[in-house]
Amino acid sequence: DTAVSQTPKYLVTQMGNDKSIKCEQNLGHDTMYWYKQDSKKFLKIMFSYNNKELIINETVPNRFSPKSPDKAHLNLHINSLELGDSAVYFCASSLRSGAQETQYFGPGTRLLVL
Amino acid sequence: KQEVTQIPAALSVPEGENLVLNCSFTDSAIYNLQWFRQDPGKGLTSLLLIQSSQREQTSGRLNASLDKSSGRSTLYIAASQPGDSATYLCAPWRRDDKIIFGKGTRLHILP
Repeated sequence: DTAVSQTPKYLVTQMGNDKSIKCEQNLGHDTMYWYKQDSKKFLKIMFSYNNKELIINETVPNRFSPKSPDKAHLNLHINSLELGDSAVYFCASSLRSGAQETQYFGPGTRLLVL
Repeated sequence: KQEVTQIPAALSVPEGENLVLNCSFTDSAIYNLQWFRQDPGKGLTSLLLIQSSQREQTSGRLNASLDKSSGRSTLYIAASQPGDSATYLCAPWRRDDKIIFGKGTRLHILP
């Protein structure tokens, strides 16, 4: 059984388009995250939601808007895509928020903006 | 601002050898530190989580140590196997619950 799943796995799109990436976890966790891994493999946290409420919002452009319809889902919508948005986006979840919790990661969504 | 450095960036060793991966961080006021493994094209797998009150954690052939005062952590892998080939990421947690990742060490175990 897949614990944290993301769709799509690959996404190729033109600059200026709007796209969404979906994430679902079946672990019963309260907290979900979005991370961005750039071409240099540097991984950075973008957002964190706990029980559908935003708790971490790093300095991410307003074009990125996370949406959590319920505890098991955290989707990422990106408006007006730019070349620099090309990266691998990872979703993760943990039982609760906080540094003491182990995070479980999804397989990643590889976004290429042309 | 927390900066995380992992040395070496890449490492190739013959199967069966013991090895050490190093991680250093600039802000010692961390809450805890987590080591992850990333296989090519895959997500991250958590290996070990060391609480700030602990100095080390062990899981199977893996042992991670944490020295907050010097801003260092090491991941020791005993009796390496080809299946250990992956990128290993060190990630200290800040006290505001944000996690910062190093760029990782790409490990290749030669059969």
